Amino acid sequence: AQKITQTQPGMFVQEKEAVTLDCTYDTSDPSYGLFWYKQPSSGEMIFLIYQGSYDQQNATEGRYSLNFQKARKSANLVISASQLGDSAMYFCAMREGGGAQKLVFGQGTRLTINP
Amino acid sequence: DTGVSQDPRHKITKRGQNVTFRCDPISEHNRLYWYRQTLGQGPEFLTYFQNEAQLEKSRLLSDRFSAERPKGSFSTLEIQRTEQGDSAMYLCASSVTIFYEQFFGPGTRLTVL
Repeated sequence: AQKITQTQPGMFVQEKEAVTLDCTYDTSDPSYGLFWYKQPSSGEMIFLIYQGSYDQQNATEGRYSLNFQKARKSANLVISASQLGDSAMYFCAMREGGGAQKLVFGQGTRLTINP
Repeated sequence: DTGVSQDPRHKITKRGQNVTFRCDPISEHNRLYWYRQTLGQGPEFLTYFQNEAQLEKSRLLSDRFSAERPKGSFSTLEIQRTEQGDSAMYLCASSVTIFYEQFFGPGTRLTVL
């Protein structure tokens, strides 16, 4: 079963608009972490933001915020005031608890920012 | 401060040849991970080291694959008798503890002809 689902293969947004990238996850572990990474065409995975399952508040990092809805098992990434440099693939990932080390990634969303 | 580095960045080989990739993690990071990413997919976990100990291996890591981290610093990933299905981007990542983000290197893109 898919543990991380990203239902938007591609998104097109006008520069300076806000954009929400969807991510739903599936786990029975009460302890887990959710991550968002950006992958530009150069290929390197760039860490954006992290949300722990016990965190009371939604994570924010600059223009990035994570809309964490635990009951719905969703962890959507919100990018405010989008810039041309935001054009890239975006991956949602989860690390389950119990000492698990690996990240499980979704299939990604390709975001294109139009001038 | 340097990030995670990987060498080579690109490798083209013929089917049946052996290849070896190197990863140098961020210096104070004791955890090192290998992932494989095929076109249009997210990265998939291959294996994980804590210091020099290999603690977890994915079923994706067939017996043709071997990874080492001999002194708890750099790591190598070797693929023996390469197959066309091995063509992918091989990503290395490191972290300081399990509770923090994994920092990725630029990857090694392998093409098997």
